[in-house]
Amino acid sequence: GAVVSQHPSRVICKSGTSVKIECRSLDFQATTMFWYRQFPKQSLMLMATSNEGSKATYEQGVEKDKFLINHASLTLSTLTVTSAHPEDSSFYICSARRQGFRDNEQFFGPGTRLTVL
Amino acid sequence: LAKTTQPISMDSYEGQEVNITCSHNNIATNDYITWYQQFPSQGPRFIIQGYKTKVTNEVASLFIPADRKSSTLSLPRVSLSDTAVYYCLVGDGGSQGNLIFGKGTKLSVKP
Repeated sequence: GAVVSQHPSRVICKSGTSVKIECRSLDFQATTMFWYRQFPKQSLMLMATSNEGSKATYEQGVEKDKFLINHASLTLSTLTVTSAHPEDSSFYICSARRQGFRDNEQFFGPGTRLTVL
Repeated sequence: LAKTTQPISMDSYEGQEVNITCSHNNIATNDYITWYQQFPSQGPRFIIQGYKTKVTNEVASLFIPADRKSSTLSLPRVSLSDTAVYYCLVGDGGSQGNLIFGKGTKLSVKP
């Protein structure tokens, strides 16, 4: 099956610093990747849709200047949390849609646990 | 995108069959129904997808009535390792294919 990886799996940083999270589709090309955030005991919340070679589309209420998304290649999307604060602590999950595959099936990464001190 | 409604939680015992029903009254003609499983601190994992009637794979069955306003995920003979949150999603994939997750159903399997 299709594999999506994320790096790092967990990160702890100081308030005010920036953190970059990578999402890679390992064995398929993904023109579209998605970034989700999940707080404890809550569902996944879509943050943005990342399109290869173009600007990301952000969901309402998500600050595009704070959550920078770059989709530079067909297998890599990055999410940078700029000037992180404790309220940004969350579980960040990416997914990739495989072209020509089952409608609506996305392959999810294992997630990145971000803790901002 | 059609909104979905699922029970918040369900309890079961090992070896039992578990059926989780999802309501999606506003499902559109082009929408598929997809179920995902999520364990704590992991990304969701695809379980099954269907459009109508019945779909079965090696892990589950999906029953969809003719009006498609609901669907039922059936897990045969659950084990402790099936304890997870199960999400029902409805959408057509579209050009973006973005998925909107509802609250999901937390299934707890007891010995």
